[in-house]
Amino acid sequence: DAKTTQPTSMDCAEGRAANLPCNHSTISGNEYVYWYRQIHSQGPQYIIHGLKNNETNEMASLIITEDRKSSTLILPHATLRDTAVYYCIALPYGNNRLAFGKGNQVVVIP
Amino acid sequence: EAGVTQFPSHSVIEKGQTVTLRCDPISGHDNLYWYRRVMGKEIKFLLHFVKESKQDESGMPNNRFLAERTGGTYSTLKVQPAELEDSGVYFCASSQDHRTGPQHFGDGTRLSIL
Repeated sequence: DAKTTQPTSMDCAEGRAANLPCNHSTISGNEYVYWYRQIHSQGPQYIIHGLKNNETNEMASLIITEDRKSSTLILPHATLRDTAVYYCIALPYGNNRLAFGKGNQVVVIP
Repeated sequence: EAGVTQFPSHSVIEKGQTVTLRCDPISGHDNLYWYRRVMGKEIKFLLHFVKESKQDESGMPNNRFLAERTGGTYSTLKVQPAELEDSGVYFCASSQDHRTGPQHFGDGTRLSIL
């Protein structure tokens, strides 16, 4: 599975868009990019996933570069409840073993 | 729709004892997964059920761990005998589609071995 690289931590301003980067330069053609987050004391929460097209749902948008070597998760209007560890995971089609890594500790600042 | 539920939320036992964790997946989800985070480490995959069959148990640490899913509904994870290094948080997840479907997690069972 492709290795992903994220910042260790970042702060975001409440009410502003939060742009969370992820590098996956060795991603292969059949690997999807998944984003999960874990809010303190809760289980991981699925956010969004995509293969090569940009995706949007009620929680976030996922922008994948044309060469698929990196992606950005966008939280359109960050709230204090978005404070969490965010995980970017590259997962081959049909593979179910999510590899969470260390993630990006995102703190939304009032 | 009820989410994935896990029981108990916390368990404290002594080394050498037996503990059984339970997971109820989202209704209709054939795929059920177990993960764990031991102290200071990352969340790691343990195994995957499709209905009552073990599809992938490559992450199970050793034969002290036994997972079952009789009838393809809820699942149990038994640790016997428990060792100190088994302390951590055990998460269960379920999904409809094992190929690309997102996994939905419970809030975990926090297991402490004394």
